[in-house]
Amino acid sequence: KQEVTQIPAALSVPEGENLVLNCSFTDSAIYNLQWFRQDPGKGLTSLLLIQSSQREQTSGRLNASLDKSSGRSTLYIAASQPGDSATYLCAVLWNSGNTPLVFGKGTRLSVIA
Amino acid sequence: GAVVSQHPSWVICKSGTSVKIECRSLDFQATTMFWYRQFPKQSLMLMATSNEGSKATYEQGVEKDKFLINHASLTLSTLTVTSAHPEDSSFYICSASQGGAEAFFGQGTRLTVV
Repeated sequence: KQEVTQIPAALSVPEGENLVLNCSFTDSAIYNLQWFRQDPGKGLTSLLLIQSSQREQTSGRLNASLDKSSGRSTLYIAASQPGDSATYLCAVLWNSGNTPLVFGKGTRLSVIA
Repeated sequence: GAVVSQHPSWVICKSGTSVKIECRSLDFQATTMFWYRQFPKQSLMLMATSNEGSKATYEQGVEKDKFLINHASLTLSTLTVTSAHPEDSSFYICSASQGGAEAFFGQGTRLTVV
């Protein structure tokens, strides 16, 4: 069964810290992997998309890496800010074409000022 | 990126009534759209796959007669929650992509059944 797991489930850090969110997936034959941000009661904001042939993607203070062979991805957030507080979701697409993303349960991040 | 618009963003309805949620791809055609449901502090769970011009495919445990999906055009899919009950209160969100590329999500609909 294709599953996505995120650790930790929740994380609280002081402002300014660098932090790493982890995502692991069964079945390394993925098509792509996406990281999303979700604010309470809101929809999803796509942060980074990594294709299966890529090792990492960067956007501002965010860096996502992908290690297919070990079934892992990490989201690195540099110099965290209170505005980064949200739930971060990792989602995997295993097949090209019209197939759905499979989501992890998310990591709930709180950045304390 | 592509835009997926979902409406309404929130709705409150009485138990026993039906609610329709619309999902539109604004600047691309989507032969397939997906409907997810998210309960509080849970992740998104796929409910069904909506296929343009054909019947939707439902995930195990999702009642197709209760959650009616219609994908009448390449830019519009609708989810109707029929005879809604309080346990159907949830966050419903749709997504679409262009053939396996980046997935784009609607804003989501918060349904509260009272």
